[in-house]
Formats: sequence, C-alpha cells, structure tokens
Amino acid sequence: SQQGEEDPQALSIQEGENATMNCSYKTSINNLQWYRQNSGRGLVHLILIRSNEREKHSGRLRVTLDTSKKSSSLLITASRAADTASYFCATDGTGGFKTIFGAGTRLFVKA
Amino acid sequence: EAQVTQNPRYLITVTGKKLTVTCSQNMNHEYMSWYRQDPGLGLRQIYYSMNVEVTDKGDVPEGYKVSRKEKRNFPLILESPSPNQTSLYFCASSLSGNEQPQHFGDGTRLSIL
Repeated sequence: SQQGEEDPQALSIQEGENATMNCSYKTSINNLQWYRQNSGRGLVHLILIRSNEREKHSGRLRVTLDTSKKSSSLLITASRAADTASYFCATDGTGGFKTIFGAGTRLFVKA
Repeated sequence: EAQVTQNPRYLITVTGKKLTVTCSQNMNHEYMSWYRQDPGLGLRQIYYSMNVEVTDKGDVPEGYKVSRKEKRNFPLILESPSPNQTSLYFCASSLSGNEQPQHFGDGTRLSIL
C-alpha cells in the first residue's frame, strides 16, 4: 500500500525559481518526513514534521502539514542545479512501525 | 563516520540460487529496515526490525527473510530468488523507530536472471 502520493511526478524549473512538491496520504499519521535521492543513491533525510506541527523550516526548505486535508508540501526556495534529485515523502504506517513512502517527485533544475 | 553499509553493491545471479545481502550500521540504532525500489513505485518496505530478535513484515515481504541476531546487522535473505525480485534494495536504520530520521545505505542492485 502507498500512503504518500507525491504531486507532480516530475518538475522542471530554472535555477533561482522556487520548487513546490506536494504529498497526500490516506490515514492518520504521527509524523511525515521528506527525503531526497540523487540518481539511484541512498536517500538522505531532509526534514521531519510531527502531526501537531503546521510548518517547519530548514535552510531553503519549508515544509507544511495540513492534517485535515492529509497533505504536506515541500518548498525549495531559490533552487540550484545541485537540487536536481528525486524527493520522497514518508509516513509512519497506522498502528505500527512501518514506514510508507510515496512514488516521489523528480525535480530538474536547469542552470 | 556514521554509516549504513550494504554488500554487495551489485549482483547478477540466476533463479533459485540463494543469496544474502548484508547490512551493517555503526550508530547503535535500534530500528533497521529493508526497502526495494522499482521505477514508478517509490520505495516499498520489505521487513523491519525494532530491536534484536524483533522483526516484522512490511508491505512486500513475500520471498524474503531477515534476521536480527545482533544490533548492528540486519541481513536480507532471498532463499529462492526469482526474476520479479530484480530491483534496487536499500537498508536503513534509525535511532528508535519510524518516528526518527532514517539513514540509508548506498543500495544493492540485484538482477535475477
């Protein structure tokens, strides 16, 4: 089962523009995490937001969480070519210790 | 350096030949997990372990086995591999569960012919 579904599947922008990716999920969660993956490498954790938080910042990253709509967004401001990667949201599975990832958004930032 | 180490990184093998992918972490993490990644499907969890001798199924456990005899190691076993297990596999660990950030290995690309 896939809990998180990212939107869009792919995004192409110019360097300096902002990139916004969305994640929707189906059941209640305790936390939601965003990860980044460069071209088939291991995932790198970006940010974790708990269900009682609405917004979180880390450098050029801003994550929001709307539990009433079961959705989250990841905003990357002033994007750089080095931000080119796939981005995944992940949630905790209901009632247990599973981790459920979405299919990801592929971001391409053109220099 | 804190890391999750998987071996091998690449493996081409044949149907039915048992194989083991090793995973080791040096961060004293309690939670360890295996995922497979297939195009268009993101990562799907195979098995996870909350601590030594405690393992549980993820969403796609069929055809896989795991064990957790020591805290640092969490091998993935394919007793009779089949072509539909051709995939990119990741091991990950976190301090205490799925509410903590997970650290990922570099991946193992398996091809089953």
